[in-house]
Amino acid sequence: DSGVTQTPKHLITATGQRVTLRCSPRSGDLSVYWYQQSLDQGLQFLIQYYNGEERAKGNILERFSAQQFPDLHSELNLSSLELGDSALYFCASSVGAEPYNEQFFGPGTRLTVL
Amino acid sequence: AQSVTQLDSQVPVFEEAPVELRCNYSSSVSVYLFWYVQYPNQGLQLLLKYLSGSTLVESINGFEAEFNKSQTSFHLRKPSVHISDTAEYFCAVGPSGTYKYIFGTGTRLKVLA
Repeated sequence: DSGVTQTPKHLITATGQRVTLRCSPRSGDLSVYWYQQSLDQGLQFLIQYYNGEERAKGNILERFSAQQFPDLHSELNLSSLELGDSALYFCASSVGAEPYNEQFFGPGTRLTVL
Repeated sequence: AQSVTQLDSQVPVFEEAPVELRCNYSSSVSVYLFWYVQYPNQGLQLLLKYLSGSTLVESINGFEAEFNKSQTSFHLRKPSVHISDTAEYFCAVGPSGTYKYIFGTGTRLKVLA
C-alpha cells in the first residue's frame, strides 16, 4: 500500500459526459501528479501540482482540468468524454516537486467510456 | 526535448535465467533516472533510482541498473529471475531544472517456468 488513495476504482460513463476523479496523496506529500495509461499510448504524464499550484503540464487535453485543494487532495475533471478517453488514470504523490523525488502511485481509476 | 526509449515491449525469459531490460534516453541537461515496476492490477512502484554518485545502483530484490552517460543508457539487469518478477517495467527520466517526469513505454517481463 503506497498511501495514495484514488476514488472511484472503476467508472463507466457515456460519450459526452463529465467525470471527476479524486486523489488523496500520502501524508506529508505536497506534490501530486496525474497520469493516463492506455494500451496504445502507454503511460502519459498529464499534470503536476505542488502545494496547490500547477507546476508542470504534459499531454493534457483542453477538455481535461485538474486542481489541488488546500487539504492537498486533487481532482482531475474530464469533460466531453470520447471513446478514446477510456484508460487507467493514476495519481502519484511525492514530497517535493523536483524530478529527483520518488513518486508513490495510487491504485488507479479505470475509466470506461461507452 | 527529452525522451525515453524502451526498445523491447515484451521480454520472455525462463526462470533462473538472466535478463536485461534496455532503456535509452535523450536529454540536453543532466537527468535523474528511475526504474518503476507495475505488477498486474497495481500502480507503479519504485524499483531503483540513480541521482548521483556511483553509476551502479541496486534494488533490494536483486535488480541492478548502470548509468552509462556516454551511451545515455540505464539498462536494468537481474542475474537470475523468478516467476514473481513477472511485471511491467518502466524506465523514467527526470531532467534536472524541470518539474517533468518522462516515462518510457514499458517492457513486459514474462518469466516462464
